[in-house]
Amino acid sequence: DAKTTQPTSMDCAEGRAANLPCNHSTISGNEYVYWYRQIHSQGPQYIIHGLKNNETNEMASLIITEDRKSSTLILPHATLRDTAVYYCIVTSNTGKLIFGQGTTLQVKP
Amino acid sequence: GAGVSQSPSNKVTEKGKDVELRCDPISGHTALYWYRQSLGQGLEFLIYFQGNSAPDKSGLPSDRFSAERTGGSVSTLTIQRTQQEDSAVYLCASSLSRDRGGYTFGSGTRLTVV
Repeated sequence: DAKTTQPTSMDCAEGRAANLPCNHSTISGNEYVYWYRQIHSQGPQYIIHGLKNNETNEMASLIITEDRKSSTLILPHATLRDTAVYYCIVTSNTGKLIFGQGTTLQVKP
Repeated sequence: GAGVSQSPSNKVTEKGKDVELRCDPISGHTALYWYRQSLGQGLEFLIYFQGNSAPDKSGLPSDRFSAERTGGSVSTLTIQRTQQEDSAVYLCASSLSRDRGGYTFGSGTRLTVV
């Protein structure tokens, strides 16, 4: 599975959009981009995933570049409860998610 | 059930004892995964089940660790002769199948070996 690179930490003002970047320059054609988050002391929570096209659900939007070498997770109106570690994972759906260190997002009032 | 249920939520055990951790996946989910997370660390993959078989056990750290799944449902992770380095949160996740994304994680079992 391809590796991902994410910033260690980011801040965002409450009510503003949080844009979390992820680089996955070695992604191959059959690999998906998944995003999870982990709020302190809880299990990870699935957010969204995509292959080529941009995706949107009730939680977030996922923007994947045309060359698929990077993506951005967008939380449109961040709240204090969105403070968490966000993991970008690339997988070929072989059944195993490899979690990196993720981005710690701090939403500030 | 509505979510992935793990028990116990907390377990303190003495070094050298055996422990069993239980995972009840979401009904109908055929794929089940075990991960562990040591304090301040990322998630470490342990084992993956598809139905009752485990096609990927590559993450089990030693032969003291074993897992089984019965009836395509409940799974048990067993750690024999526990060591202090086994202290971690053990997380279970399930999904409809291995190629259907969106794993649902349980809240984990916090294991402390003293």
